[in-house]
Amino acid sequence: AQSVTQLGSHVSVSEGALVLLRCNYSSSVPPYLFWYVQYPNQGLQLLLKYTTGATLVKGINGFEAEFKKSETSFHLTKPSAHMSDAAEYFCAAVKTSYDKVIFGPGTSLSVIP
Amino acid sequence: EAGVTQFPSHSVIEKGQTVTLRCDPISGHDNLYWYRRVMGKEIKFLLHFVKESKQDESGMPNNRFLAERTGGTYSTLKVQPAELEDSGVYFCASSQGPGLAGGPETQYFGPGTRLLVL
Repeated sequence: AQSVTQLGSHVSVSEGALVLLRCNYSSSVPPYLFWYVQYPNQGLQLLLKYTTGATLVKGINGFEAEFKKSETSFHLTKPSAHMSDAAEYFCAAVKTSYDKVIFGPGTSLSVIP
Repeated sequence: EAGVTQFPSHSVIEKGQTVTLRCDPISGHDNLYWYRRVMGKEIKFLLHFVKESKQDESGMPNNRFLAERTGGTYSTLKVQPAELEDSGVYFCASSQGPGLAGGPETQYFGPGTRLLVL
């Protein structure tokens, strides 16, 4: 069965530092991959998605992720953290176009002033 | 364009009572999904509607949960009777269909309903 793992349930970075949130998927066929963010007391918002084509995907708020098939990874990065980036981040996968979303366990990001 | 809306935002009920959650998808979206996140665990799929038909209900935990989507518009998820382990956040999502070739339609999520069963 397909699964999504995220290394680190909680990550803390200093304001202005690099943000790196790790995600790996387990599938014989690469799925479609997503990153969602949930800000406090809000719903899930799509940050970015990978379907086909370019493996480096740019999203909103300065985030980007790179699909690496050889490593079955889809890590999320941002060069410089802002206080407003504090939220919970979910890596997710979809096997086919209208299939259910398989979520990773989530990583809570804290940004230290 | 309005996003996915869910009602209520919070619900506190006692064990054995009935609760009905409502989801209004983005207008024109044929696909509607329900997910939930129980405390400390992952967000899990419950079921998928295409218009008014249940496409996949493999994630429904038991027969205490009943989902409907009358007329292919809004959907309700009823829990009867509620148990303590049903506490969590229930998310609804919708997507267009049929989609563009070459990739999945993005699922747009609502803010969730936070259910607490005492």
